[in-house]
Amino acid sequence: NAGVTQTPKFQVLKTGQSMTLQCAQDMNHEYMSWYRQDPGMGLRLIHYSVGAGITDQGEVPNGYNVSRSTTEDFPLRLLSAAPSQTSVYFCASRPTGHQPQHFGDGTRLSIL
Amino acid sequence: AQSVSQHNHHVILSEAASLELGCNYSYGGTVNLFWYVQYPGQHLQLLLKYFSGDPLVKGIKGFEAEFIKSKFSFNLRKPSVQWSDTAEYFCAVNAPGSARQLTFGSGTQLTVLP
Repeated sequence: NAGVTQTPKFQVLKTGQSMTLQCAQDMNHEYMSWYRQDPGMGLRLIHYSVGAGITDQGEVPNGYNVSRSTTEDFPLRLLSAAPSQTSVYFCASRPTGHQPQHFGDGTRLSIL
Repeated sequence: AQSVSQHNHHVILSEAASLELGCNYSYGGTVNLFWYVQYPGQHLQLLLKYFSGDPLVKGIKGFEAEFIKSKFSFNLRKPSVQWSDTAEYFCAVNAPGSARQLTFGSGTQLTVLP
């Protein structure tokens, strides 16, 4: 049972490049979320999904897209990377909206 | 919208000292409350949670938290900290009206000196 798996673990991009952060979970959880973690700001919600085919915006969605074609996968796309998107990104899943989150190991992203 | 405040940004203690980290939230109704811990270089792990019932909840590694509804608080405590407790601690709230979103505090970095 792998839990929540994020790839890659580290990535360096140039301004303007696009990329996709991958997230997969094998716990059959309906709810999945993407957060970014910045010093002194805790975790801020980017996008979330309550089931396959359903996504919604969180607190800081600008510059990011998501899709949820299957229960297992919830990729996060950076459309045109900006230095302000340098951060650590965490994917999380939970069985229902009231249960605790299970977090992945994170992706450390640097935009030059 | 709900919000979570953690007043202590960085706490430094010696081993065996007692710990209390503050957490206040702003939401007038029923809430679910959580404390997560993030050890250096690792992902967040659940320490404890409060859904209902006894307002004093016990978690892993000797941590406990007390929910005081009148004060909108959910402070984390440990009677005697260890060097291995050095980590960042996050309080989080999940209100039924926004069950899809978990709101996190800004975190408290705890450093325990050997």
